[in-house]
This record gives sequence, C-alpha cells and structure tokens, in this order.
Amino acid sequence: AQSVSQHNHHVILSEAASLELGCNYSYGGTVNLFWYVQYPGQHLQLLLKYFSGDPLVKGIKGFEAEFIKSKFSFNLRKPSVQWSDTAEYFCAVNQAGRRALTFGSGTRLQVQP
Amino acid sequence: EAQVTQNPRYLITVTGKKLTVTCSQNMNHEYMSWYRQDPGLGLRQIYYSMNVEVTDKGDVPEGYKVSRKEKRNFPLILESPSPNQTSLYFCASSSTAFGQQGRSGANVLTFGAGSRLTVL
Repeated sequence: AQSVSQHNHHVILSEAASLELGCNYSYGGTVNLFWYVQYPGQHLQLLLKYFSGDPLVKGIKGFEAEFIKSKFSFNLRKPSVQWSDTAEYFCAVNQAGRRALTFGSGTRLQVQP
Repeated sequence: EAQVTQNPRYLITVTGKKLTVTCSQNMNHEYMSWYRQDPGLGLRQIYYSMNVEVTDKGDVPEGYKVSRKEKRNFPLILESPSPNQTSLYFCASSSTAFGQQGRSGANVLTFGAGSRLTVL
C-alpha cells in the first residue's frame, strides 16, 4: 500500500527564517502530488500541486515545492516565513488511476514573531 | 460561493446512539469523499463516491456507512458510534474523474469546514 511520510512533526521557526518541510512517498509509478494547509480552526486548503512538467511548482503565499522523482520526494519550501504561516501542512499523493488521496501525518509549523 | 457544507460542526454523543453527519456541495461535483483526521495520523479516507449510487470503501470504513442518492449530498452514518470514532471528520468533493491521469483540474479536492465528533 502506498504511504506518505512527513518526518517533521512539529517545526518552530522565527519570522523571516527559511522553511523546508519534507515529504516522501512510497509508490514508484505515476503520481499527482499536493500540499494542503490547515490554518487554526479552518478547513484544508490547497497550497500547490504537481501533475506533470516542471518539477518546481509555485503555490500561493510564496510557497514552492520540488518534485524529485529519483528520491520519491516533494518537499515544501518558503524562503522567508511569516507569523501568518502558522498552520498544519499536509503532503498528499494521488496514485494515477486510484480514486483516493493519501495524506501524510502532517507537520505543525509554529512561527514566532 | 462554491463550497462544501457539513453539519453538525460539533457533536457530543454517547456510545450506540446513531448519528448522521451531512455533507452537501454546490459545485456539481461527481466525486465526494469522507476523511477522518486524528493527531499524528493525518487524514484517512473512510468512504468515497464516484457518482450517484456509486460508493466504495476507503482505508478505514469499519463502523461507518454512506449513501449517495443525490449528486450534491453524501451523508456519513454512524449506526452505533463508539469512543474510537471520536475524531474530526472532513467531507471533500472534486470534479469529474478524480484520480484519472492527465485530468489535472479534476484532482483537486475542496474540503468542508470539518465536524468534530466526540463519542462518550
């Protein structure tokens, strides 16, 4: 069965620090990749997605992610975080042809002003 | 406004008392799904539906039922709730052919605001 691993469970950063959240998945075939964000008390929102083409994808609010097929990774990055980025971040993978999205366990990001 | 609406948002109930969490979407989406979110486990899929009268089990279907009699509605039914079903539940929907390769726009899920259920 496919699995998605997010190794950072809780990350604490100061404002203006750079962010990189790791995401690895186990399936070797064609995948669609996503990062969702959940702000405190809110529902999940799409941050960015990768289906094909340029492996470096840009999302909302200055986030970007890079798909490295050889490493089965889709790490999320932001050069300079803000207090408003405090949220929980979920990596998700859709295996091509499957009707499901498999989520990682999430990374709670806390940005201190 | 395009949205997925869940009710109730908060519910405290007792073991064995049947309950239904409703989910409705106004985007004419074919695909709908239920997830539960638990600390340290992320979101796990309970059931999904590709269209009216077409439902299938996700990763954690035990103790749950669903129905899809209308395109817009996808209720989650707990016939006999137990404390291990205490969780945060999310309904989500997507346009046609969710999961099909190459249908890039179809693979994005729109989530509801969540329903926090406590079973005593």
